[in-house]
Amino acid sequence: AQTVTQSQPEMSVQEAETVTLSCTYDTSESDYYLFWYKQPPSRQMILVIRQEAYKQQNATENRFSVNFQKAAKSFSLKISDSQLGDAAMYFCAYRSRGTYKYIFGTGTRLKVLA
Amino acid sequence: DTEVTQTPKHLVMGMTNKKSLKCEQHMGHRAMYWYKQKAKKPPELMFVYSYEKLSINESVPSRFSPECPNSSLLNLHLHALQPEDSALYLCASSQISGTEQFFGPGTRLTVL
Repeated sequence: AQTVTQSQPEMSVQEAETVTLSCTYDTSESDYYLFWYKQPPSRQMILVIRQEAYKQQNATENRFSVNFQKAAKSFSLKISDSQLGDAAMYFCAYRSRGTYKYIFGTGTRLKVLA
Repeated sequence: DTEVTQTPKHLVMGMTNKKSLKCEQHMGHRAMYWYKQKAKKPPELMFVYSYEKLSINESVPSRFSPECPNSSLLNLHLHALQPEDSALYLCASSQISGTEQFFGPGTRLTVL
């Protein structure tokens, strides 16, 4: 069975600084997707970034980028130039191609300090 | 239209009540999902519908009854709930062959 592990329950970052959130996963599949979702307090869960396993190039979306290490089964999220609006719970998620089941990690609460 | 809507936003019900949660999307997605989320925890998958047919039921108690009347709508019928069922209920949708899910804002349910 696939698992997703986020070992950092909480992280803090100074405004304008860079922070990296960790995620590791376990799977025997070769074709899958990985995601980072953001859930601000009492607000909607939104997709931050996604990565297809067959793509070697790391995904980037503006200030957000990932370090995808397929052999190590690692998928970390880097947030550059952190802003107060980045404060949220961040969930790493996995989905095998051809299935509907998304597997979420336990989440990392990110605090941004002014 | 790139959003998933859920009604009501908040719901308080007694253990003998019957109520329903509603979810709607107009993105043409043919996969729709119900999740339960407790505070500071990840979403737990409850049900998945694909092409309006139930594809996944994660051994959810029968007091939760899903329904997908058409490709845009997803309901969750609630009956005889327990206080431990109090949670945020999230709806999501995705393309059948797509990658990410799109989430609604959720219904915060309190069972007294």
